[in-house]
Amino acid sequence: SQELEQSPQSLIVQEGKNLTINCTSSKTLYGLYWYKQKYGEGLIFLMMLQKGGEEKSHEKITAKLDEKKQQSSLHITASQPSHAGIYLCGADMRSNSGYALNFGKGTSLLVTP
Amino acid sequence: KAGVTQTPRYLIKTRGQQVTLSCSPISGHRSVSWYQQTPGQGLQFLFEYFSETQRNKGNFPGRFSGRQFSNSRSEMNVSTLELGDSALYLCASSPRGGLTYEQYFGPGTRLTVT
Repeated sequence: SQELEQSPQSLIVQEGKNLTINCTSSKTLYGLYWYKQKYGEGLIFLMMLQKGGEEKSHEKITAKLDEKKQQSSLHITASQPSHAGIYLCGADMRSNSGYALNFGKGTSLLVTP
Repeated sequence: KAGVTQTPRYLIKTRGQQVTLSCSPISGHRSVSWYQQTPGQGLQFLFEYFSETQRNKGNFPGRFSGRQFSNSRSEMNVSTLELGDSALYLCASSPRGGLTYEQYFGPGTRLTVT
C-alpha cells in the first residue's frame, strides 16, 4: 500500500521563525491534501494540490506539490502560536478496489513565544 | 451550514462489548468516511459510504462495520471490543465522494476500552 512519510516528526520553533514540513510518498501522488489538527480534535482542511508543480497559499501557509519527486512541502512564514498543532498530509490512494485517503503520521508543531 | 457532528464525543466500554458511533454529515454531503486515529498507527481509513452503499474499505477486521441511512447520516459499529480499539474515531463528509473534493472532518468520538 502507498505510504506517506512526514518529516520532521515534531518541531519546536520560536515565534516569528519560518518552518517547512515535508511529505514524501512511495508512489505517484494523484492528489495531496494538507490538514491541521488541534490535539484530540478533528482535522481542519488547509489545502488540496493535484497538479505537479502546483503551489497554493493561504495566509502565511504555502504548500507545493512536486509530482516528480512524489513529495509535497508545507511552509509557514513568520510562525505564530496559533499555528501550533499537528499537520497531516493525506494522499489519494487509488487501487483496483477503489480509493481511500491515506495519511502520514503527522508533524507536531509547537511555537514558543 | 452546520459542520459534521459526531455523537457521543466520549465513550468508555469494556472488552467484549460492542459500540455504535454516529456521524451526521454537512447538509447536502452524500459521502461519509470513517477513520481511526491512534498514537501508534496514526490516522487510518476504515470505510467510505456514498448513497447508502459502502464504496471502499480499509484493512480492518470484520468486527468493524458501518452503514449509511437515506439522509446520509452514518453509523459505525465495533463488536467484541478489544483494548487496541481504544482510539479517536473520526468521520468526514464530502459533497460527492471521490477524492477530488476535500473532506470535512467532525470533532471525533474518543473511545476508551477497559
